[in-house]
Amino acid sequence: GDSVTQMEGPVTLSEEAFLTINCTYTATGYPSLFWYVQYPGEGLQLLLKATKADDKGSNKGFEATYRKETTSFHLEKGSVQVSDSAVYFCALNNYGQNFVFGPGTRLSVLP
Amino acid sequence: DGGITQSPKYLFRKEGQNVTLSCEQNLNHDAMYWYRQDPGQGLRLIYYSQIVNDFQKGDIAEGYSVSREKKESFPLTVTSAQKNPTAFYLCASRYGGQGGSPLHFGNGTRLTVT
Repeated sequence: GDSVTQMEGPVTLSEEAFLTINCTYTATGYPSLFWYVQYPGEGLQLLLKATKADDKGSNKGFEATYRKETTSFHLEKGSVQVSDSAVYFCALNNYGQNFVFGPGTRLSVLP
Repeated sequence: DGGITQSPKYLFRKEGQNVTLSCEQNLNHDAMYWYRQDPGQGLRLIYYSQIVNDFQKGDIAEGYSVSREKKESFPLTVTSAQKNPTAFYLCASRYGGQGGSPLHFGNGTRLTVT
């Protein structure tokens, strides 16, 4: 079946550092890919998405590019802030009703 | 503003009691979902519903029940048969079934059973 793998956390960075959170997937066909963010005690919020190969999703300084050849959708941000501290989930949807989520990566940004 | 409302935010129950978690959406979305989240784990699908009066089991449906009598509402009942009910429960909805349509989440209900 379909699956999503994320890098193990927690990830701890200093403010203004460069962020990469790796995400790879296994799926048949051409799934849509998503990044969600979860702040403490809250639900998940959509951060960005991409629906076809080579698409780049971007939002609030975060970016991710849909790489079909490497089945990856890595999340990047050039300069993180303390307010970016949260748990980040990579997810896919393969034209059905169900979504497959990765285990989440906790990010802590220190001032 | 449109959104998904889950209530209550915190819920405490004694073992052996059934408990119902509320989920209401005013986004006019057809599909609604219930997920369970445990510490350090991803989301696991309990049930989902594509239209009123229809729902399907997800990966961990045992010990749970749902109803979908109205488009806006998708309550989840955690029954006494659920062996390990303490968890964070998330409701979500989605417009249509296209692959690019994202899930929209509520802020969750944290259930503690003692």
